[in-house]
Amino acid sequence: GAVVSQHPSRVICKSGTSVKIECRSLDFQATTMFWYRQFPKQSLMLMATSNEGSKATYEQGVEKDKFLINHASLTLSTLTVTSAHPEDSSFYICSARRRTNYGYTFGSGTRLTVV
Amino acid sequence: GDSVTQMEGPVTLSEEAFLTINCTYTATGYPSLFWYVQYPGEGLQLLLKATKADDKGSNKGFEATYRKETTSFHLEKGSVQVSDSAVYFCALSDPASRNDYKLSFGAGTTVTVRA
Repeated sequence: GAVVSQHPSRVICKSGTSVKIECRSLDFQATTMFWYRQFPKQSLMLMATSNEGSKATYEQGVEKDKFLINHASLTLSTLTVTSAHPEDSSFYICSARRRTNYGYTFGSGTRLTVV
Repeated sequence: GDSVTQMEGPVTLSEEAFLTINCTYTATGYPSLFWYVQYPGEGLQLLLKATKADDKGSNKGFEATYRKETTSFHLEKGSVQVSDSAVYFCALSDPASRNDYKLSFGAGTTVTVRA
């Protein structure tokens, strides 16, 4: 079945540093990649949508200069949290929409802790 | 806009009890409906889906029927197991919204099954 590999699963970084999260579709081409943020015991909040080879579309209230998204190929998308601060600590999840059958496959998530 | 309203939790059940989680939606067009399950510390997994009215999605003993007349997609399982303990999300994808088919999620319902 379709698999999205998300790395790292956990990361702890110092305040002010940048962290890159990678999502890779292993056996299919992802037309669109979605990036979500999830706070404890809450639902997923869509941060941005990216299509391969074009700029990401950010949801209202999401800082595009802070959360850099790159979708350079049909199998790889990255989210970089720049100049991270403790309030950026959260669970980040990617989701890939497949070119065929329009299904969605989620990564396993990244727990980011900024200290 | 599109939205999903999901029964609030948490829900605590005994093993072999009947589970139902209510989900209603609003959408511009004819959405596809999904139930996702999230186990602790993990990403989301598709549990079942339905793409048109009166469709019944089913998987692992769970069922949900797409009811257009009541705009509902309630999740049911006749006999739960401890391994069903997780957070369940109802979601929709509405092609008419022209938002790259992004998913709109409900708030999530935490289900705990006790032995």
